[in-house]
Amino acid sequence: EDQVTQSPEALRLQEGESSSLNCSYTVSGLRGLFWYRQDPGKGPEFLFTLYSAGEEKEKERLKATLTKKESFLHITAPKPEDSATYLCAVQAGAGGTSYGKLTFGQGTILTVHP
Amino acid sequence: DGGITQSPKYLFRKEGQNVTLSCEQNLNHDAMYWYRQDPGQGLRLIYYSQIVNDFQKGDIAEGYSVSREKKESFPLTVTSAQKNPTAFYLCASSIEPDRGTQYFGPGTRLTVL
Repeated sequence: EDQVTQSPEALRLQEGESSSLNCSYTVSGLRGLFWYRQDPGKGPEFLFTLYSAGEEKEKERLKATLTKKESFLHITAPKPEDSATYLCAVQAGAGGTSYGKLTFGQGTILTVHP
Repeated sequence: DGGITQSPKYLFRKEGQNVTLSCEQNLNHDAMYWYRQDPGQGLRLIYYSQIVNDFQKGDIAEGYSVSREKKESFPLTVTSAQKNPTAFYLCASSIEPDRGTQYFGPGTRLTVL
């Protein structure tokens, strides 16, 4: 069974204080790992897709990296507007569940104080 | 603007009632999905559809039903058989049926009175 675990559950940072969020996963043949941002009461907003170990992607203050067991979302010099819940999800490629199902972690709630 | 719309934003249901949540997309995506989100839990897949007139159960389909009569529409009915329907419901779509990025709508919050 595919599993995704995110840590920490909650993270409080001061503005400008860089940090990382972790996403550990077990999956039968990784087809893709996805990062989303979700604001309260809204739908998840797509951030990144990573496909293979060693891959990195960046967008403004965010950088996502991938290994064979985990992914990190690095936040450099965060601002209060980066406060949100960050969701990680995996899509399996092997074994009969090839219908695009995403398995999500519980998310990390990030709060950035000014 | 292309995107996914869900309506209503808030929905209140009395015990024993069926309610239908709307999901429309103008992205020309083949695949559509319904997820349920509860506090402290990851999103869980209810139903998915890879093509018009075809849909499959996800992990938590009991008490729900769907239809896919048009490519752009994938409504979800929460029936009275769903024992704990209060949750945040999210619709998503992707261009390919079995891979690729899923894009989400704004969600519908359903509360049972």
